[in-house]
Amino acid sequence: EVQLVESGGGLVQPGRSLKLSCVASGFTFSNYGMNWIRQAPGKGLEWVAYISSGSSYIYYAETVKGRFTISRDNAKNTLYLQMTSLRSEDTALYYCARGWPYYVMDAWGQGASVTVSS
Amino acid sequence: DIQMTQSPASLSASLGETISIECRASEDIYSNLAWYQQKSGKSPQLLIYAANRLQDGVPSRFSGSGSGTQYSLKISGMQPEDEGDYFCLQGSKFPLTFGSGTKLEIK
Repeated sequence: EVQLVESGGGLVQPGRSLKLSCVASGFTFSNYGMNWIRQAPGKGLEWVAYISSGSSYIYYAETVKGRFTISRDNAKNTLYLQMTSLRSEDTALYYCARGWPYYVMDAWGQGASVTVSS
Repeated sequence: DIQMTQSPASLSASLGETISIECRASEDIYSNLAWYQQKSGKSPQLLIYAANRLQDGVPSRFSGSGSGTQYSLKISGMQPEDEGDYFCLQGSKFPLTFGSGTKLEIK
């Protein structure tokens, strides 16, 4: 069974950093591109970042470019999202999702909640 | 960036009714479009990709169509379990962009 499990969320002050993880199981992680998508409370979906299977191609939404870094460790079947200079508008539920091709996201995690507040 | 305009924002349908949700792209996205369903408190699920390809395990009452800048999702015979939010996503260019969503309820 394909599974994606996010962790690392929490309450953080504005300007601080947080790192999310997404552990994959049930498929060959190194064969798939991966995405981070977020959903602010009561709002729609916002794509955040994509990383290709071998990390050669990386793309970000303009709203997070320069502050967030997506990465992966294929040996550990783990996707990461390093978030710095956090703002209140980054408050959201963050999902990781498998994408092949990138926009066809056929497996999603349960989400990690990030709240940015003083 | 490619803008995705989704309509309607909300929809109320009777059991068995056929409904459609539309997404219009700000430029040609060459059928690189997916539809996702999100039930209350759950993660999104893939319904349709490449504009009209049904994801494995998705009921055949769901169908997608369109080309160029205009796309639609149709549910032929609304069922209680179809209540939820629906989003389109364009995959033609980065940054990927979602439509604003449609809330579908049973009348």
